[in-house]
Amino acid sequence: KNEVEQSPQNLTAQEEEFITINCSYSVGISALHWLQQHPGGGIVSLFMLSSGKKKHGRLIATINIQEKHSSLHITASHPRDSAVYICAVLDWAAGNKLTFGGGTRVLVKP
Amino acid sequence: KAGVTQTPRYLIKTRGQQVTLSCSPISGHRSVSWYQQTPGQGLQFLFEYFSETQRNKGNFPGRFSGRQFSNSRSEMNVSTLELGDSALYLCASSFGGAGNTEAFFGQGTRLTVV
Repeated sequence: KNEVEQSPQNLTAQEEEFITINCSYSVGISALHWLQQHPGGGIVSLFMLSSGKKKHGRLIATINIQEKHSSLHITASHPRDSAVYICAVLDWAAGNKLTFGGGTRVLVKP
Repeated sequence: KAGVTQTPRYLIKTRGQQVTLSCSPISGHRSVSWYQQTPGQGLQFLFEYFSETQRNKGNFPGRFSGRQFSNSRSEMNVSTLELGDSALYLCASSFGGAGNTEAFFGQGTRLTVV
């Protein structure tokens, strides 16, 4: 079993729909990151969380440390949100190494 | 402020050769981390350098090595290339350290081993 599991693996939405991506992890963490990767490979860091909730524009990230679960929400989705979203955790027991989920491929149709 | 620059962007090498990839971090950032991304394994952590010292290392064979210079620029070297080393290699710079502070990624170097 992977230490970081994301669901769903693929997601197709219509423009303006509300999107939720989930990340569950099995290790003790000191931080969790949400990353966005567009075709071509470039990665952008969206959020770094250690507790609670963060919001940036139409993106909201939440984390529940007790349940070892985080969610990334995209409100009023737009075709430009089409990308792969990756969850990564900072595993303190492994010497503070980043461990990545397999990614969620999101396609937003106009 | 200039972003993270990786060179070259694309590279084709033959099995058995060695390769060196370069990463120039954002000015003022002292941490550079390297990652390998393949379709089968996804993103995997290679190593992190901070102030010229390797601070963390992933589970990769000794053929993968790196170093960091006094200006924080980092190089990654892979010796005796194998077909399975074909991947997108990404570096990320941060002020404090990989994962503890916001990371800024380069565009990556796509390595193809033939």
